[in-house]
Amino acid sequence: QSALTQPASVSGSPGQSITISCTGTSSDVGSSNLVSWYQQHPGKAPKVMIYEDSKRPSGVSNRFSGSKSGNTASLTISGLQAEDEADYYCFSYAGSGTYVFGTGTKVTVL
Amino acid sequence: QVQLVQSGAEVKNPGASVKVSCKASGYTFTGYYIHWVRQAPGQGLEWMGWINPNTGGTNSAQKFQGRVTMTRDTSINTAHMELSSLRSDDTAVYYCARADGYCPDYWGQGTLVTVSS
Repeated sequence: QSALTQPASVSGSPGQSITISCTGTSSDVGSSNLVSWYQQHPGKAPKVMIYEDSKRPSGVSNRFSGSKSGNTASLTISGLQAEDEADYYCFSYAGSGTYVFGTGTKVTVL
Repeated sequence: QVQLVQSGAEVKNPGASVKVSCKASGYTFTGYYIHWVRQAPGQGLEWMGWINPNTGGTNSAQKFQGRVTMTRDTSINTAHMELSSLRSDDTAVYYCARADGYCPDYWGQGTLVTVSS
């Protein structure tokens, strides 16, 4: 099972919007609506920001949104803030009870 | 409130085994799967496997099959992950996480396992 492909880094200025892509295959990302997105600050455990492609858990800012087209899922952060600087990972069901993470994206707020 | 508290850091020799514990509280332990995820220093997240605390059923990434054993003790609401035949590249922080459906939502604090002679 190969890791899903994410850009290594994405940056933006405060207030801007950025989008992180997560590309897989028809066996994982494209197979069902089961992609989650995680935010991880240094030395901390991951925090779920989006689940089931586009649903936002209670307490997560509505500046975070998820979408999917074919085998590529995307996380958009609008109104970028300094606190959004972190690593972001996508996570997908990959069939037969297995799962796979993305390679991870470092978001920098300029 | 939901909490997952993991056991403390470990230092192991190559070839040894390590067992990491994850004690759950604040919810019905048998109602949610527990996933195990690891992160090597400076690297990304890697999914290892899950256990169904209700049935004891497990599944793991092909990479770890034959080397990872996941168990649970429902009497003390605790899940365990044992990794054998440790190598230096198994040095990582190991996390447990509760899954609500297909999405791990609550995570433990992580356990650093260092493999070194």
